[in-house]
Order: sequence, then structure tokens, then C-alpha cells
Amino acid sequence: DQQVKQNSPSLSVQEGRISILNCDYTNSMFDYFLWYKKYPAEGPTFLISISSIKDKNEDGRFTVFLNKSAKHLSLHIVPSQPGDSAVYFCAARDQAGTALIFGKGTTLSVSS
Amino acid sequence: DAGVIQSPRHEVTEMGQEVTLRCKPISGHDYLFWYRQTMMRGLELLIYFNNNVPIDDSGMPEDRFSAKMPNASFSTLKIQPSEPRDSAVYFCASSRLRGYGYTFGSGTRLTVV
Repeated sequence: DQQVKQNSPSLSVQEGRISILNCDYTNSMFDYFLWYKKYPAEGPTFLISISSIKDKNEDGRFTVFLNKSAKHLSLHIVPSQPGDSAVYFCAARDQAGTALIFGKGTTLSVSS
Repeated sequence: DAGVIQSPRHEVTEMGQEVTLRCKPISGHDYLFWYRQTMMRGLELLIYFNNNVPIDDSGMPEDRFSAKMPNASFSTLKIQPSEPRDSAVYFCASSRLRGYGYTFGSGTRLTVV
């Protein structure tokens, strides 16, 4: 059973608009959440993270929002650029664990 | 630093053959992880090591899979015998700290025919 769920396999957005990628989780013990970005033929690379004690973290064009009561987080990219086209993975860390649990990923396509 | 190095980049093998995937983590990283990426399951954790010791192998799908880390700079993931359903991209990642700061390798794309 997937503990981290990304229910949208793909998302298409026009350049300059906002991209919103969503992630749901089931384990209330998760204390740290991350987003990774993956280009074809490369490994995932870290993008942005958020601790469970916060509800928002911003880094340039990227903002992650956390709603603990809904067990939901989202990644906002504003403005979206063609270079943002990639697979985005949501990941979570268990308080008792070390390893990250990843979702299935969402493929973002930004058209110019 | 050269990052996490995986070899080979691509592997095509026949069903029943033994396959060995290799990983060199970043120097100084105490944690090493093996993940597998498939369309159906996304990125799933297979096994991880801390200071060369396997900590959690509950994600290893079957006894056909085994992993070793004989020293801090090398790890292998072996599949014997391989089956077509093992076809996937296998990633190795390492980290210095617990639970974040992962650096992934470029992956090995395995095709079993």
C-alpha cells in the first residue's frame, strides 16, 4: 500500500503560468517532506523540503505547502519555465526511519 | 566530487542470467540506498546500509535479489536468476545525514529478455 501518493501522473502547463503538483500521505508519523526533480537518463535531484512543524517553505520560484490535518502537500512553481519539464517525486521521512519513501511521480510538461 | 557513480548505465541480459549492478557512493556518506523505478510502483526502496551494514532489506522483492557493501566505497546489487519482470531502472543513492540530503546516481537501466 502506497504511503505517499501522487495521483496525477502528468500535468501540462503553459510557460509563465503556475504549476501545482500535489501529494498525499497516509502516515501521520512522517516528519519531513521533500520534492525531487528528475530529468530523463538522470537520477533524481533534490529540489525543496519542508519540516512537519512548518506549513510553507519557499525557494525562488518554488514553494511547498504542507497541510498536516489533510495529510497533503503541494509544490507550486511560479512562473513555470520549459526547463521545469521533468518528473517530480514527492518523498517523506518517517520519524523512526532513515529512508525516504517516494511517490510514483508526476510528469510536468511546460510548453512555450 | 564525482557524485554517486553507478555502472553499467545499461544492461541487457537474458532471463535466467545473473546480473550485478555496482555503485560507488560519495566519500564520507554513511548511508547507501538502492531504489528501483518502475511505471507501476514509482521509486521503491529495496535496501539500505549504514556504515556498510545492511539495516533494512524489507523492500527486496525476492530471494533472487541480494546486496552487499564490502567497504565504504562500493556496493553491489545482484539478481540471480534474472526475470523479465525485473526490468526497471535501478538507482543507488548516498547521504551523510539521516533521512535527507540524498544524492542519486544516474541509474542502471536493466532489461531482461
